[in-house]
Amino acid sequence: SQQGEEDPQALSIQEGENATMNCSYKTSINNLQWYRQNSGRGLVHLILIRSNEREKHSGRLRVTLDTSKKSSSLLITASRAADTASYFCATDERDSWGKLQFGAGTQVVVTP
Amino acid sequence: DVKVTQSSRYLVKRTGEKVFLECVQDMDHENMFWYRQDPGLGLRLIYFSYDVKMKEKGDIPEGYSVSREKKERFSLILESASTNQTSMYLCASSQDRAYGYTFGSGTRLTVV
Repeated sequence: SQQGEEDPQALSIQEGENATMNCSYKTSINNLQWYRQNSGRGLVHLILIRSNEREKHSGRLRVTLDTSKKSSSLLITASRAADTASYFCATDERDSWGKLQFGAGTQVVVTP
Repeated sequence: DVKVTQSSRYLVKRTGEKVFLECVQDMDHENMFWYRQDPGLGLRLIYFSYDVKMKEKGDIPEGYSVSREKKERFSLILESASTNQTSMYLCASSQDRAYGYTFGSGTRLTVV
């Protein structure tokens, strides 16, 4: 079953702009994670935010989590062409023993 | 860095063949996972394992089986390949649920 739903499905921006994508989920979670996938490759873990955290930063990435609304957002500041990729949110549900449920992803294109 | 190695990047198999997809991780992780990725559907969990010789079904186990005889190796088996199993297959490992997954580069399987 698909837990996370990303929005938008696709995003096109210019270098230097910020990119924001959202993730909604349905059940109680232990943590929520964001991953990046370059075309045709495996996923790379970006950031993990626990259910008792509201915001987390890593370099140019900022993640927020609102458990009351069951939603999260990923902000990439000052985008670069190298940020072109698909971005996935994944939820670790409370009773799942660490299995992750992934959404369908947001495809981001950053043009020079 | 943790490495997860999938033995093949591309595979072409015939309908009815028995197919083995191999995955090896080098950081002594307890947990290993097999996902398939299809356009618009995101990643769907096929099987996972929390220990040697232990396996649990994910969301879409039909038509697949797995083997984990050694901690570092988790194999996915397509008992009788069918065209609807054409997909990207991704293996991942994790230390525990407080950490993210490390993914392999994926195997793109085409069944003809």
